[in-house]
Amino acid sequence: SQQGEEDPQALSIQEGENATMNCSYKTSINNLQWYRQNSGRGLVHLILIRSNEREKHSGRLRVTLDTSKKSSSLLITASRAADTASYFCATPWGGGATNKLIFGTGTLLAVQP
Amino acid sequence: DTAVSQTPKYLVTQMGNDKSIKCEQNLGHDTMYWYKQDSKKFLKIMFSYNNKELIINETVPNRFSPKSPDKAHLNLHINSLELGDSAVYFCASSQEGSGPVGAFFGQGTRLTVV
Repeated sequence: SQQGEEDPQALSIQEGENATMNCSYKTSINNLQWYRQNSGRGLVHLILIRSNEREKHSGRLRVTLDTSKKSSSLLITASRAADTASYFCATPWGGGATNKLIFGTGTLLAVQP
Repeated sequence: DTAVSQTPKYLVTQMGNDKSIKCEQNLGHDTMYWYKQDSKKFLKIMFSYNNKELIINETVPNRFSPKSPDKAHLNLHINSLELGDSAVYFCASSQEGSGPVGAFFGQGTRLTVV
């Protein structure tokens, strides 16, 4: 299976704490993407990191990529109750365009107010 | 304005029926997709179209037939529905342009086959 895996499967933290989610993938990639899915809603693209980048920031999000270990992490700082959602990493199959995104298994994040 | 819209949002139907889900994107993207999300939240691509042409067909039963009348629309028709077809179906679109970008997803259609 080409599917990536995310760790942990579920994470519960208090508001204000940081949340870290990890993603491992199997094939060579030229980019890795993170998405958020609120309950009952569609996926929202959060951030894309290219294979030649090691770290990228967007607001309270920080993404790292280690291509030697085929892994990525998503850090959400100063979490808020509104961050409660499922988070998925996704990699383009075949390393190329987004034509076929392979999604990880997801991390369910619950931020307690 | 909704970027990627799909209808209906909920669909409850009996086994053996034929149903369609419609998807439209107003982003001017060239590529559209259908994904299936099962009860365990596992997302899997079903089809990918680029400029109305089928690019990817992922081992999907031929009861599922996508149709793209133009690059802004990608509809999904399902024949002879089975219990195992129950899932949430997501339409998405993207535009690669000069480099990879993220995909935009619709809100999903929750299909329940009874």
